[in-house]
Amino acid sequence: SAVISQKPSRDICQRGTSLTIQCQVDSQVTMMFWYRQQPGQSLTLIATANQGSEATYESGFVIDKFPISRPNLTFSTLTVSNMSPEDSSIYLCSVEAENYGYTFGSGTRLTVV
Amino acid sequence: AQSVSQHNHHVILSEAASLELGCNYSYGGTVNLFWYVQYPGQHLQLLLKYFSGDPLVKGIKGFEAEFIKSKFSFNLRKPSVQWSDTAEYFCAVNARGNTPLVFGKGTRLSVIA
Repeated sequence: SAVISQKPSRDICQRGTSLTIQCQVDSQVTMMFWYRQQPGQSLTLIATANQGSEATYESGFVIDKFPISRPNLTFSTLTVSNMSPEDSSIYLCSVEAENYGYTFGSGTRLTVV
Repeated sequence: AQSVSQHNHHVILSEAASLELGCNYSYGGTVNLFWYVQYPGQHLQLLLKYFSGDPLVKGIKGFEAEFIKSKFSFNLRKPSVQWSDTAEYFCAVNARGNTPLVFGKGTRLSVIA
């Protein structure tokens, strides 16, 4: 199955700043998915990133706050902009792997202070 | 839109007890079904998945799940739990065709000696 390298693994950021999270996949994939896992909660889909087009955002998430890039079939970034303590979460990327279900990155644990 | 319900928020079992975690989904079409596990401090791992065929699916670490289409259920089972099974368990579903996963809220399993 696909292997995802996600970085950074964790960061502590000041409110009002931005953080860009990177996901690199070891094979070409059509779609990449970005999720958020708030403390003690389940995963919520932020957006779907398709190469060559704008990302599709779920209700409650907007491009200005979570801009996504998808420059090629193996790479994507998610930026958390103008951060506040409420953005403290684990952010994960995911891809669909044929016959292997969905693979997830190891996650980025973000703390905003 | 799909939704997933996990009935138990927190389950506490003694070692060697049998486990059954409930999962029901809401979607009118054909779905793929998944169970993921998240051990403390680690990232999501796929336990098992159902795409089609035999509704009784066997996964890793002795887990299995049964898809009952008439009940829209995909319950996870293990005949004898171990302390190392202590983790958060997530049921997830997606519609066929490279669509993102929708997760349940998760069930925390604590196995005590």
